[in-house]
Amino acid sequence: DGGITQSPKYLFRKEGQNVTLSCEQNLNHDAMYWYRQDPGQGLRLIYYSQIVNDFQKGDIAEGYSVSREKKESFPLTVTSAQKNPTAFYLCASSIAGRAHTEAFFGQGTRLTVV
Amino acid sequence: AQKITQTQPGMFVQEKEAVTLDCTYDTSDPSYGLFWYKQPSSGEMIFLIYQGSYDQQNATEGRYSLNFQKARKSANLVISASQLGDSAMYFCAMRGSASKIIFGSGTRLSIRP
Repeated sequence: DGGITQSPKYLFRKEGQNVTLSCEQNLNHDAMYWYRQDPGQGLRLIYYSQIVNDFQKGDIAEGYSVSREKKESFPLTVTSAQKNPTAFYLCASSIAGRAHTEAFFGQGTRLTVV
Repeated sequence: AQKITQTQPGMFVQEKEAVTLDCTYDTSDPSYGLFWYKQPSSGEMIFLIYQGSYDQQNATEGRYSLNFQKARKSANLVISASQLGDSAMYFCAMRGSASKIIFGSGTRLSIRP
């Protein structure tokens, strides 16, 4: 089945440690996205990528980094510079360059930093 | 710059009644898409309905319809005959020609039996 896989579902880290969230898709989509969601809030765009080896900052990129070395994969690293990293992180993918196509989402990763 | 605004943080509706969730947007792109997603308490994002900026007719998908008023830059979601299973967060989203997709702050809909 085609889809987007985020792993793990729950992740715990100590403060000051970097942590990498995985996102893999087999939908053959060029565009991929990372969003952050705080409790009861909307989705805020962290980074997005329209093609391999290229990505753009979203609205809240500070303290995060990404890479896009393969079409299928778009890992997100939450660095120690991110002041409030505890949140729900959602990865999505879509056909690139078309305004009229929706994004497909993974199941999300709940990150807790203690 | 693109912007999506949802002004209703929460709504309560009686079962079987219709409900309208508001969404206004701002963009300078001549071509854009507007989307609605449902997020149950499990956290998954469920795509509901889409409206293109050049579409002449309002989109419909089963009990969901999108009231698109381009001049007013609004794209309200209408759910007819609400059901208990409709209780969830609802997000309006917009996509321009550059693939960037942004979301509103959401509306928490609660259906009363």
